[in-house]
Amino acid sequence: DVKVTQSSRYLVKRTGEKVFLECVQDMDHENMFWYRQDPGLGLRLIYFSYDVKMKEKGDIPEGYSVSREKKERFSLILESASTNQTSMYLCASSLVQGADTEAFFGQGTRLTVV
Amino acid sequence: GESVGLHLPTLSVQEGDNSIINCAYSNSASDYFIWYKQESGKGPQFIIDIRSNMDKRQGQRVTVLLNKTVKHLSLQIAATQPGDSAVYFCAEKAAGNKLTFGGGTRVLVKP
Repeated sequence: DVKVTQSSRYLVKRTGEKVFLECVQDMDHENMFWYRQDPGLGLRLIYFSYDVKMKEKGDIPEGYSVSREKKERFSLILESASTNQTSMYLCASSLVQGADTEAFFGQGTRLTVV
Repeated sequence: GESVGLHLPTLSVQEGDNSIINCAYSNSASDYFIWYKQESGKGPQFIIDIRSNMDKRQGQRVTVLLNKTVKHLSLQIAATQPGDSAVYFCAEKAAGNKLTFGGGTRVLVKP
């Protein structure tokens, strides 16, 4: 079974802190994604990566950056956390670029910025 | 900015009845569609998918219908059970890798 693991279930950070959210997948997937989930807004794509060191902006990249130094790991970075970044963050991975396959999700990290 | 306090559309269904969850998608170039189920405290889980060259696909107790003319997708759950209570999301994929998700529908199963 594919496993996507996010390093934290819950995080509380202060405004202005630099925050790292880590995600690891164990199925050698090419693609990895970071979404944020807010009530009534569904899942919105922040960034995705289709290969090591490759990244593309999603729909809401402002205030975020990402890092993919190894194939299995995709990190989301909040350079200076703000209260409007309080949300549920979901990492996902999928097999190869362009393939019609589903994305597999981690359990989510609920981030609160105070 | 964020809209705080938006409520999910909710479908209340009696245990044993059939459920129909609807989704309107936006991109006429989308060629692959997925339904996900998200239970409380968990990440979304794949239920069923359909490609744009099909208009119907069946799984175990679930059926997805695709109407490309009106850009509409539906998920039918037969004999709804308490374990089906969750939030359901549709997702569409156009060229490339990006999945775009709908806002979600909450299904509440009444005993």
